[in-house]
Amino acid sequence: DTGVSQNPRHKITKRGQNVTFRCDPISEHNRLYWYRQTLGQGPEFLTYFQNEAQLEKSRLLSDRFSAERPKGSFSTLEIQRTEQGDSAMYLCASSLAGAGGYFGPGTRLTVT
Amino acid sequence: AQRVTQPEKLLSVFKGAPVELKCNYSYSGSPELFWYVQYSRQRLQLLLRHISRESIKGFTADLNKGETSFHLKKPFAQEEDSAMYYCALSGGGSEKLVFGKGMKLTVNP
Repeated sequence: DTGVSQNPRHKITKRGQNVTFRCDPISEHNRLYWYRQTLGQGPEFLTYFQNEAQLEKSRLLSDRFSAERPKGSFSTLEIQRTEQGDSAMYLCASSLAGAGGYFGPGTRLTVT
Repeated sequence: AQRVTQPEKLLSVFKGAPVELKCNYSYSGSPELFWYVQYSRQRLQLLLRHISRESIKGFTADLNKGETSFHLKKPFAQEEDSAMYYCALSGGGSEKLVFGKGMKLTVNP
């Protein structure tokens, strides 16, 4: 296990298209988090899963965003009808207990 | 509301000098505080958390509830400490981390 992995690492899409990102957490970690980071800012929380249950969502997560963790292992984050303001680094993290987990390398989204 | 403030964006020191990266927070309850570090072209990684009271890579941080601060300190900076540093907070039963905007530390030879 080499840590949290995310795919793809980079995604360029046209405005209005849908995109989906995947996160594979560290195998024994039951907690999974999604964050978004824009230039010059720290990561901003989007959502959190414990096993397959989505327990917390940020107001940042508009109706165009949806996240799933169907079997309590990997997670996907989908953005529908992308907008230029969605351009950011999307980070995934996992932990065994509580906040302060291990981060993945991120998926950089560019919306043109 | 939970908020983390890192008042300085940039800090440049010479090797061997002491460093202090400031972090102030706003939270009414009992927070859990963290420092994360991101080296060039690497992922964000946990440096230390206040509940463990560890010293990692020579860095320490003490939670000062009176001043609502969690400053990161190292007595003798090394070139390999050059990185982005983020202070973060969680609390109130929420598992989300609230991050500051980060600070870039450059240690010159």
